[in-house]
Amino acid sequence: KAGVTQTPRYLIKTRGQQVTLSCSPISGHRSVSWYQQTPGQGLQFLFEYFSETQRNKGNFPGRFSGRQFSNSRSEMNVSTLELGDSALYLCASRRGDQGDEQFFGPGTRLTVL
Amino acid sequence: QKEVEQNSGPLSVPEGAIASLNCTYSDRVSQSFFWYRQYSGKSPELIMSIYSNGDKEDGRFTAQLNKASQYVSLLIRDSQPSDSATYLCAVNANFGNEKLTFGTGTRLTIIP
Repeated sequence: KAGVTQTPRYLIKTRGQQVTLSCSPISGHRSVSWYQQTPGQGLQFLFEYFSETQRNKGNFPGRFSGRQFSNSRSEMNVSTLELGDSALYLCASRRGDQGDEQFFGPGTRLTVL
Repeated sequence: QKEVEQNSGPLSVPEGAIASLNCTYSDRVSQSFFWYRQYSGKSPELIMSIYSNGDKEDGRFTAQLNKASQYVSLLIRDSQPSDSATYLCAVNANFGNEKLTFGTGTRLTIIP
């Protein structure tokens, strides 16, 4: 069974630009969560989507948004990029049952110059 | 107080010995607990999940959960150099709120 895939793997943007990241979950998984990982803050939860609905949201500004499509693929958008948005963005998928395991994709490394 | 706390290490263990990693959490209603391994430059890889008090064994790995004391641990037996990585403890706040809260991770080095 194929794992979680994320595209692109690496991205370089400048301040003020916007970026869209994509995630394809494991086949049959209905939930996709997004996390940001930085050396200073560690792994932090951004949001979770289940059946095209955002079910949970972390403490990030409104510049961070996402969506999920009917095939469970998800996209995350960051508008008006700031230097502090440089991070590894990770997508995790799970079946959708309560408390079940989350499996991470390889991540997208975003650098904001 | 951080929601999930881990000793950041680094923790150095001789090859073949037992590595013991600990994690405490603050939210008493937490129901699901996970250990992830992360190699440098890679994404987290799920090693173990545990939901009930007691021990859960999978190969060389044993997870231990004590909800009354709010701690979860991971034991790695017969440590190998390939076990050198950062180990992340993650806690799922409660059912219906499927957000993983991570500790800062413990960096483990296995010394040949």
